[in-house]
Amino acid sequence: QQQVRQSPQSLTVWEGGTTVLTCSYEDSTFNYFPWYQQFPGEGPALLISILSVSDKKEDGRFTTFFNKREKKLSLHIIDSQPGDSATYFCAALTGANTGKLTFGHGTILRVHP
Amino acid sequence: AQTIHQWPVAEIKAVGSPLSLGCTIKGKSSPNLYWYWQATGGTLQQLFYSITVGQVESVVQLNLSASRPKDDQFILSTEKLLLSHSGFYLCAWSLDNEQYFGPGTRLTVL
Repeated sequence: QQQVRQSPQSLTVWEGGTTVLTCSYEDSTFNYFPWYQQFPGEGPALLISILSVSDKKEDGRFTTFFNKREKKLSLHIIDSQPGDSATYFCAALTGANTGKLTFGHGTILRVHP
Repeated sequence: AQTIHQWPVAEIKAVGSPLSLGCTIKGKSSPNLYWYWQATGGTLQQLFYSITVGQVESVVQLNLSASRPKDDQFILSTEKLLLSHSGFYLCAWSLDNEQYFGPGTRLTVL
């Protein structure tokens, strides 16, 4: 079943804290997992991504972890900043030619100063 | 550097009227192109994808059509809008697996 479940639906953290977002999926043919950040009224921006052959990828304050056995992935944001307040989507891809990304329903993150 | 432009920025249209939204990619030759739809506060749903000029594949049937008249241009259209067509329409291009989205067009159907 082509579905990506994302949690939590919304999250509030204090400035400087660590944010953790999670996603799970069923379809074992998914092989590429991007995370997108979207501000109101804007298109989503690619934040970080990981292939199913890896278990961790880091980019500055953002790290994504992938657990193939459990079919789960997560996004960790350390030292969260008010500017990180946005909606975050995980997604999964199967088939680079069709480029069919299946998106989670998003997590609304609020970082309080 | 690649740039993606969508037009118009926003549209307010009447039910039953026609629609045409556009997307242009600059700085990337023969990109894969995609149309997505996002309901207000909702997730993104892929509508169409195109690998080359003149070839468009439909992913979801929503009484919409798409065309790719040029290598760098992708058009989304319908002859008759429904209330359910309201939302945020996003064009994207891809480099291997990575997809990059445009700024979007906000469509309100009344």
